[in-house]
Amino acid sequence: EVQLVESGGGLVQPAGSLRLSCAASGFTFSTSSMNWVRQAPGKGLEWVSYISGSSAIIYYADSVKGRFTISRDNAKNSLYLQMSSLRAEDSAVYYCARSGFDMWGQGTMVTVSS
Amino acid sequence: DIQMTQSPSSLSASVGDRVTITCRASQSISSNLNWYHQKPGKAPKLLIYAASSLQSGVPSRFSGSGSGTDFTLTISSLQPEDFATYYCQQSYSTPYTFGQGTKLEIK
Repeated sequence: EVQLVESGGGLVQPAGSLRLSCAASGFTFSTSSMNWVRQAPGKGLEWVSYISGSSAIIYYADSVKGRFTISRDNAKNSLYLQMSSLRAEDSAVYYCARSGFDMWGQGTMVTVSS
Repeated sequence: DIQMTQSPSSLSASVGDRVTITCRASQSISSNLNWYHQKPGKAPKLLIYAASSLQSGVPSRFSGSGSGTDFTLTISSLQPEDFATYYCQQSYSTPYTFGQGTKLEIK
């Protein structure tokens, strides 16, 4: 079955760190570019980051640049988002999505609060 | 950054109605435009890519048109499962910005 499954969300204090994971299956992960997209409660969708299949090309939204790091391990069919210096406004459901945005995970909730 | 503006922000319609949602980009994005719908608690689902191409498995009552800066999503005959929030997104350049959403509700 073709799917993406996120994990790693939870409650974290402001200025804290968290690492999200996205496990891919059912398609050739190593040649697929990937994205992270987030959605704050009751709000719209916000693209966060992109990584090419080889990790050679990486992009970030300005709102997370310098604080978030996207990476992948093609041997493990996994995508990651290392989040640091977290702020209340980073609270959201985080989705991983295959490039082309034709496949999305179910999302993992991140809450930044003291 | 490219700004995407959808209209209307909300829409009430009945089963069987024809519905059109528009999306305008702040600069030309050629045909690099996707449409999604999203139901509460679920991930977005891709409906239309490249402005007018129907994603595999999506019913043919959904169609998209436009290029440059102005785009439309049309649902030819609303079905109960179509009541959701709809988003456009440009995939022309990063950041891949989304429209603010159009909530389609049952009249």
